[in-house]
Amino acid sequence: EAAVTQSPRNKVAVTGGKVTLSCNQTNNHNNMYWYRQDTGHGLRLIHYSYGAGSTEKGDIPDGYKASRPSQENFSLILELATPSQTSVYFCASGDLGANTGQLYFGEGSKLTVL
Amino acid sequence: AQSVDQPDAHVTLSEGASLELRCSYSYSAAPYLFWYVQYPGQSLQFLLKYITGDTVVKGTKGFEAEFRKSNSSFNLKKSPAHWSDSAKYFCALEGWGYQNFYFGKGTSLTVIP
Repeated sequence: EAAVTQSPRNKVAVTGGKVTLSCNQTNNHNNMYWYRQDTGHGLRLIHYSYGAGSTEKGDIPDGYKASRPSQENFSLILELATPSQTSVYFCASGDLGANTGQLYFGEGSKLTVL
Repeated sequence: AQSVDQPDAHVTLSEGASLELRCSYSYSAAPYLFWYVQYPGQSLQFLLKYITGDTVVKGTKGFEAEFRKSNSSFNLKKSPAHWSDSAKYFCALEGWGYQNFYFGKGTSLTVIP
């Protein structure tokens, strides 16, 4: 069974603080993604990666950095957290294309920035 | 530009009725289309996908979806609906060769027992 695990599951941070959300996958997928989910917006792509050492900007990258040090791990970094970044963040992995085309999601990380 | 539209933010129906959740997409090439479900407090789970071929695809939990190229739609269906189907449903499009997903805003379904 494909597995994606996120940590922490819940985080309360202060404005201006640094936050790191971590994601680990045991699927050996090349691609990994960070989304945020907000009411009225659905899922929006922040950053993604095609493999170890690569990171790409998604649709809403401002205020976020990403790091992919290995095939298994993909982190989302908020250097200076702001209240507008309060959200639920989902990590996903997948090898997209006609034969697979499925994303596997982690359980989500709820971030509250005060 | 790619986009996915789910025009109904909320749908409520009675158990035993037929459900149909609407999804339309905009994409210049042949799309790969998906439906995911999110139960309260949980993550997203894959339901089904359309890649090519048959216009009706079947997925897990008794769901199926019909792809209609003529009006760029990919509606999710199930009959009869069960109270346990209450969840949020997301339609998604994978851009061919782009390796990314575009999600609709989701439809929250409530099935009344």
